[in-house]
Amino acid sequence: DIQMTQSPSSLSASVGDRVTITCRASQTISSDKDYLNWYQQKPGKAPQLLIFAASILQSGVPSRFSGSRSGTDFTLTISSLQPEDFATYFCQQSYSVLRTFGQGTKVEIK
Amino acid sequence: EVLLVQSGGGLVQPGGSLRLSCAASGFTLSGNWMSWVRQAPGEGLEWVANIKGDGSEKYYVDSVKGRFTISTDNANNSLYLQTNSLRAEDTAVYYCARARGPGSQGPYDYWGQGTLVTVSS
Repeated sequence: DIQMTQSPSSLSASVGDRVTITCRASQTISSDKDYLNWYQQKPGKAPQLLIFAASILQSGVPSRFSGSRSGTDFTLTISSLQPEDFATYFCQQSYSVLRTFGQGTKVEIK
Repeated sequence: EVLLVQSGGGLVQPGGSLRLSCAASGFTLSGNWMSWVRQAPGEGLEWVANIKGDGSEKYYVDSVKGRFTISTDNANNSLYLQTNSLRAEDTAVYYCARARGPGSQGPYDYWGQGTLVTVSS
């Protein structure tokens, strides 16, 4: 199975900060595209899709969210953290039918 | 509008069974891969099972193989997860999720509201 290693597990940041979360796959998750997705989850709610194919913003998601790949590392960036962005973020690979998630990153208020 | 409405969770004793349901509207299940994902209290997300829309392919995480069965009923446009031989470590909120597109590799673009399964004596 493909293992997804996400870091950090948590971070504290202030409104307006730039935040970066990284995810690394144990083997390739790329062929015609990068099969890496990012989700946001708020307490007591279902996850919501933010970014798919590593860098494509889901409809309705603010442009302060972006995704990229550098080698085997995938990155979620929030360019200017807003109060509604305090949540937990998960990466997920959809390259394999045996899907796996990263451990999650909890973004807390400093 | 796409909606996934879940039902069927609850408290069950170790070794017991539950059937989770996910009623879909706004799209036809047979055209999409569907999944179950769970989240233990205070923990991260764990993919549990996948099914191709026509039911011809099914996949499971190792920890539930032989105990859980994913299925669809296209007449009712519903997804199910039959959970048997439940263990304490199966305690979690269970979500159904739709994979975008006709293939197996789409992101989960719609999720159910979640249903809590508690395994305890």
